[in-house]
Amino acid sequence: DIVMTQSPDALAVSLGERATINCKSSQSLLYSSNNKNYVVWYQQKPGQPPKQLIYWASTRESGVPDRFSGSGSGTDFTLTISSLQAEDVAVYYCHQYYNTPYTFGQGTKVEIK
Amino acid sequence: QELLQQSGPGLLKPSQTLSLTCGISGDSVSRNSAAWNWIRQSPSRGLEWLGRTYYRSRWYDDYAESVKSRITISPDTSNNQFSLHLNSVTPEDTAVYYCAREDYDGFDIWGQGTMVTVS
Repeated sequence: DIVMTQSPDALAVSLGERATINCKSSQSLLYSSNNKNYVVWYQQKPGQPPKQLIYWASTRESGVPDRFSGSGSGTDFTLTISSLQAEDVAVYYCHQYYNTPYTFGQGTKVEIK
Repeated sequence: QELLQQSGPGLLKPSQTLSLTCGISGDSVSRNSAAWNWIRQSPSRGLEWLGRTYYRSRWYDDYAESVKSRITISPDTSNNQFSLHLNSVTPEDTAVYYCAREDYDGFDIWGQGTMVTVS
């Protein structure tokens, strides 16, 4: 199984400051036939299902604010929130859909400092 | 607009069978570029993918090894829905269960979640 490891487990950032979450996979998630990395980033707020933010590692889902961005390739990926807003307080997960069994990172809790 | 609506009981006794249904609006369970998944979430296991069903000229399914001997995910084309059956449940199966659509961009649509307690 592909293991997804996020860091840090928790992060406290001041409003308007940058938040950076890292995700490392145990094997490459780059699909050679289309040069896409099969990584998704989700945001989850209490009592809600995960909401998709980024797919293919760096493509923002429609309607997602542009302060959210994803980067990386192969085995190392990053989610950046460029200017943290109060409504961004949540747990963030990375997820690989390169192959089954699909797996998720353990989550990173983002709070306001 | 696409929507997944979950239904099913939330309280089970050990050894019973967990049965949940996910109704699909705005899409088709038979669409040959989508897959229909079940995922659960608990404090001890985090987000755990359980399995999926999908149609590619015929029906396929695949499952997580951790539940493979106990799980069935099946489509219901007449009612445009799919279901999860997990037998011989134990307290370790206590979790929030989600259905989710898988498309080219990952799990893009999720059900509302069902808290299932085994006690």
